Formats: sequence, structure tokens, C-alpha cells
Amino acid sequence: DQQVKQNSPSLSVQEGRISILNCDYTNSMFDYFLWYKKYPAEGPTFLISISSIKDKNEDGRFTVFLNKSAKHLSLHIVPSQPGDSAVYFCAASKGNAGNMLTFGGGTRLMVKP
Amino acid sequence: NAGVTQTPKFQVLKTGQSMTLQCAQDMNHEYMSWYRQDPGMGLRLIHYSVGAGITDQGEVPNGYNVSRSTTEDFPLRLLSAAPSQTSVYFCASRDPGPRRHEQYFGPGTRLTVT
Repeated sequence: DQQVKQNSPSLSVQEGRISILNCDYTNSMFDYFLWYKKYPAEGPTFLISISSIKDKNEDGRFTVFLNKSAKHLSLHIVPSQPGDSAVYFCAASKGNAGNMLTFGGGTRLMVKP
Repeated sequence: NAGVTQTPKFQVLKTGQSMTLQCAQDMNHEYMSWYRQDPGMGLRLIHYSVGAGITDQGEVPNGYNVSRSTTEDFPLRLLSAAPSQTSVYFCASRDPGPRRHEQYFGPGTRLTVT
């Protein structure tokens, strides 16, 4: 039973437009959420995170929104660039157990020039 | 800094063979972890360590052993490889400070078991 789900395996967006990647979770004990970006043949790299006490966190072109009542978070990329084409993983953790990240299955984003 | 390094990059094993995947980090991180990535399933935690001499099981530990004799190294041992262990393996480390949730990943080892 996957506790973190990314229901869209892929997403295609035109350069300059907004990319919205979605993530749902079932465990209400999760209190910290992260997004990782992964290029082929490389390890995931940390992108942006949000604590459960917030509903929004912004870093340049990347914004993460958290809706705790819906157990849903989303990553917005504005404007999208071809270099953003990668697989994006949503992850969640609870308490101080930062080692125990629970990952979603990933969404492949393709940004077309 | 090299960050997190993993060797080998690729490996093919026959069922029943054993091998060790190497992982090293030069960031003096106390916490290290091993994940496996399978299609559509994201990354799943195999084992982790909160410091030299201390290890614990993650979500999918069966068939794997770990040890942590130094801060820098965290090898993962496959005792008797099975086709179900065909996967991409990632080692990660993190600092227990304010950014403790952010893990730094190595480039991965792609393992095929025939």
C-alpha cells in the first residue's frame, strides 16, 4: 500500500508555461515533504521542501503548495524550461526520522521548446 | 568535494552470487541510507545508519546486509542474489542539523541478476 502517490506518470508542457506536478499521501503522521529531481543516470537531487506547519514555500521558479486537509501537495514550476525535463519525486517523512523518506513513484516532466 | 560516491556503476550477477556495493561520502555526515529504485515505485529504503557502529532496517531489508565501521563508508552486501534484486541502488547521506530531511544521493549502481 503506497503511502505517497504520484498519479501522473508523465507530463508534457510547452516551454514558458506552468508545470504542475501533484502528489497525494495517506499517512497523517507525515509532517515534512520534499521534492527531488532526477536526471537519467544520476542520483536524485533535492529541489524544495515544506513543513506541515506551512501551506506554501517558494524558491525562485519553484513553489510547493501543501493542503493538509486534502493530504495533497503540488509543485509549480513557472516558467518551465527545457532543462527542467526530468523525473520528479515527491517524498514525505515524519518526526525527526529524516532517514525514513517515503517516496512516490515519480512523474516524468517533458518541457518542449 | 566528491559528495556521495558509489561503485560499481553497473553490475551483472548470476542468481546465488554475492557482492558488495560500495558507498562513501566526504561530507562528514552521520546519517547514511541505502535505497532501491524500481519502475513506478519510487525509491524504497533498504537499511540506514545513524552513525558508525549503528545500523537499522528500512522498508525492504530482506536479502541485504550492511555495516558501518567508519563515518565515511556504508557498504551494502547482497548475500545470495535473486532476480527480484534487479534494481538501481542509491546510497544517500544527510546531516542531522536543521536541514536533516534533505538527503544527498550518489549516482547509483544498476544491478542486473540473471
